[in-house]
Amino acid sequence: AQKVTQAQTEISVVEKEDVTLDCVYETRDTTYYLFWYKQPPSGELVFLIRRNSFDEQNEISGRYSWNFQKSTSSFNFTITASQVVDSAVYFCALRGSWSNDYKLSFGAGTTVTVRA
Amino acid sequence: DAGVTQSPTHLIKTRGQHVTLRCSPISGHKSVSWYQQVLGQGPQFIFQYYEKEERGRGNFPDRFSARQFPNYSSELNVNALLLGDSALYLCASSDTTSGGAVSEFFGPGTRLTVL
Repeated sequence: AQKVTQAQTEISVVEKEDVTLDCVYETRDTTYYLFWYKQPPSGELVFLIRRNSFDEQNEISGRYSWNFQKSTSSFNFTITASQVVDSAVYFCALRGSWSNDYKLSFGAGTTVTVRA
Repeated sequence: DAGVTQSPTHLIKTRGQHVTLRCSPISGHKSVSWYQQVLGQGPQFIFQYYEKEERGRGNFPDRFSARQFPNYSSELNVNALLLGDSALYLCASSDTTSGGAVSEFFGPGTRLTVL
């Protein structure tokens, strides 16, 4: 079984502050893939980043960065210098490798509100 | 290039009715997945189809069915609607040539309300 936990329900910040979203996952697979998606009020899920379990290198992409730590089963996501347009629900998701259906298991989401 | 498209955008049905939701994947993508997102929760996997065959099914009753057509578009059918079926139904397409590392791209969703 796979499980994704996003302990933070809501986060509210003032523009230009950094926002870090926590994600903890459970899986029996040795190879797996982790994702972050953004869901603005329009409802469409927007793909942000993907990380493979065998690559723990952390990266920065523009204002986004992520911290993948296999030892603690965590995949945290940071938005630097937040903007009002970053206001959305953010989902962490996991895909294992033992089945053929490539399904994503999502966390419950964290609502981020960036105030001007 | 066009993204994933879904129709209709919104739908209102009454209990016991049947509904059909439609999805067109990104051009070149042969895999389509369906997810149900109840308000305040993360999306839950319903089905995945690849090359017109069902590849996976989530924990949903037999009232839910789907199919994929030769042009890779897909339909999700729900029979005998219940109030609890009210949700945002999301379709995602992917290019599965990279195996489990594929990234799924989602459509805008269909908001279904069952009264």
